[in-house]
Amino acid sequence: KAGVTQTPRYLIKTRGQQVTLSCSPISGHRSVSWYQQTPGQGLQFLFEYFSETQRNKGNFPGRFSGRQFSNSRSEMNVSTLELGDSALYLCASSFQRGAANTGELFFGEGSRLTVL
Amino acid sequence: AQKVTQAQTEISVVEKEDVTLDCVYETRDTTYYLFWYKQPPSGELVFLIRRNSFDEQNEISGRYSWNFQKSTSSFNFTITASQVVDSAVYFCALSEANRDDKIIFGKGTRLHILP
Repeated sequence: KAGVTQTPRYLIKTRGQQVTLSCSPISGHRSVSWYQQTPGQGLQFLFEYFSETQRNKGNFPGRFSGRQFSNSRSEMNVSTLELGDSALYLCASSFQRGAANTGELFFGEGSRLTVL
Repeated sequence: AQKVTQAQTEISVVEKEDVTLDCVYETRDTTYYLFWYKQPPSGELVFLIRRNSFDEQNEISGRYSWNFQKSTSSFNFTITASQVVDSAVYFCALSEANRDDKIIFGKGTRLHILP
């Protein structure tokens, strides 16, 4: 079956702009999590959505937001981009939510954002 | 607060050597889950193993083995007879089941297997 699909794979923006990233989970998966990966900070949890509701949120400013649609597809948005937002943004899906239920996240290949 | 430390930032070994990746975690919960993920150059993380806090049995899967020791809060990963295809970044992760279920990753260890 098809894996987690993230679009776009690469994008370049300038400071102050906004960006929307998309994630299509594996068919049947209802939980979608987003992570930011940078060389300095590693993988940092952004947020998790399940059944169109945000269930968890990491320690990121309000410029970072997301949503999930009824078909489980998810988008994340970053407004007023800063240079430090340059990163690989990874989306992961799972059938249930929570490590106690599955523990196995299926990751996409990520969207690499460069902010100039 | 939960925390995962992978002290080895980068390791290089020659093919066929054994290599161990260290992972030390911190948690106040008695129920928690530990994971290892592999990130090849393509970018997507690949799940390797999940272990709950009540199961300290070591696990072996082919050339991979994991040593979970609660006494030292460690969950180390050993690759036996390494191969070039094992080159990747490996992440250890932790989730506390009684809290918010977030899966928190360590900063990863970049493993180079030299031919």
